[in-house]
Amino acid sequence: DTGVSQDPRHKITKRGQNVTFRCDPISEHNRLYWYRQTLGQGPEFLTYFQNEAQLEKSRLLSDRFSAERPKGSFSTLEIQRTEQGDSAMYLCASSLLGRSGDEQFFGPGTRLTVL
Amino acid sequence: AQSVAQPEDQVNVAEGNPLTVKCTYSVSGNPYLFWYVQYPNRGLQVLLKYITGDNLVKGSYGFEAEFNKSQTSFHLKKPSALVSDSALYFCAVRPLNYGGSQGNLIFGKGTKLSVKP
Repeated sequence: DTGVSQDPRHKITKRGQNVTFRCDPISEHNRLYWYRQTLGQGPEFLTYFQNEAQLEKSRLLSDRFSAERPKGSFSTLEIQRTEQGDSAMYLCASSLLGRSGDEQFFGPGTRLTVL
Repeated sequence: AQSVAQPEDQVNVAEGNPLTVKCTYSVSGNPYLFWYVQYPNRGLQVLLKYITGDNLVKGSYGFEAEFNKSQTSFHLKKPSALVSDSALYFCAVRPLNYGGSQGNLIFGKGTKLSVKP
């Protein structure tokens, strides 16, 4: 499968714990994006990388959230001291800058449940 | 604030009838426009996109959308609906700032399409 993959697909954690999600983009894509989707809403942008540089962060990305893409390939999203309001689907997408309107290809998501 | 509106939470259509899912947007510049479809337990898939050129865009599975700059709309249409078209549809806009670009997509809330036999 050469699409965007995310791991894990589901994560249940207790409030206050830290969690980390991984995203592997399509191999030749230089841009990688993180979104959050809650029930009944469309995806909301969190942050994106071009190669290893984090170019933009949303106001939704509080200081408990951190994202990295150390070698310009896979990315991790960490949430520290999780809160019940963090429960959501976390989506990763990738694109190739300049190709086809920078069309973003999405992974299946990681569903986070904070108890 | 930049936003995308999908005024209908749900659209119900009988199989074989035409369908329309509405989308309007409010963003600066000349954006790229997308329709994504989300099936249960599957990731978002792009259905069609408007980058430039003809205002009528044809996409996958017989869907099409018309870009109307004056009305800032990008409604999704299909002449004859299928039961298998039942899914969640999202309109998304990628703003383009003059002299540069913005990376993220702005999504609408989504419209659930239900096609009955």
